[in-house]
Amino acid sequence: AQKITQTQPGMFVQEKEAVTLDCTYDTSDPSYGLFWYKQPSSGEMIFLIYQGSYDQQNATEGRYSLNFQKARKSANLVISASQLGDSAMYFCAMRPNQGGKLIFGQGTELSVKP
Amino acid sequence: DAGVTQSPTHLIKTRGQQVTLRCSPKSGHDTVSWYQQALGQGPQFIFQYYEEEERQRGNFPDRFSGHQFPNYSSELNVNALLLGDSALYLCASSKGAGQFTDTQYFGPGTRLTVL
Repeated sequence: AQKITQTQPGMFVQEKEAVTLDCTYDTSDPSYGLFWYKQPSSGEMIFLIYQGSYDQQNATEGRYSLNFQKARKSANLVISASQLGDSAMYFCAMRPNQGGKLIFGQGTELSVKP
Repeated sequence: DAGVTQSPTHLIKTRGQQVTLRCSPKSGHDTVSWYQQALGQGPQFIFQYYEEEERQRGNFPDRFSGHQFPNYSSELNVNALLLGDSALYLCASSKGAGQFTDTQYFGPGTRLTVL
C-alpha cells in the first residue's frame, strides 16, 4: 500500500537554528513525486518543495532543502535559519506515477521559539 | 497572478442537508482536485477533474459528487450531510492530466460544520 509516515507529531526549534522534519514513504512505483507543504493556522496549504524519484540531486528552495534517500525511502525536510513565521503544520505528500492524487502524512507541528 | 480561490470560506449546515462548494483554479491550470481534511489529520483525496471529467476518485461515497466547467472552475457537492462530513475542504489546481511531476497548488479552503 502507498503510504506516508511522519513520526514527529510536534517539534520545537530555536529561532535561527536549523530543523529536520522526518518523512518516510512506502510505494512500489518506480516513478513518483515527493512534496512538502506548510499549513499555517489559517488553513491554506502552501507548496514548499518537490523531489522527483529520478532526481539525482536533493532539491533546494531558499531555506528549504529535501534530504532524499531513495534506498531508505525517506524524504526529510530541512529548514535552515528558522524564523518565527515558520511555526505551522508541515505535511509530506507523495504523488504516485499513475493518477493525480496526493497522499499525505499526518503532519508535524513545528513551533519556533524566540 | 491570481491563485486558487474557494467559496464560501465558512459554512454551517444541518444533518441531511446538501452543500455546494466552489473552486476557481490558478491562472493557466486546467486540473482541479478536491481534498477533505478532518481536524488533526492530513488531507484525504476525494476526486480530480480534468477536461470536465472525473479522472480519479478516492475512497468517498457517492454522496460526494463534482463537476468541472469549461472555464476549468469546479464544484464539490455533498448530499445527505453527516456529522462526520465536518471538515476543511481544500481545492487544488495543477496543469496537465496528472503526471507525478505536477505540483498542486491549494486554495484557502472551505470550513464546513455540520450540526
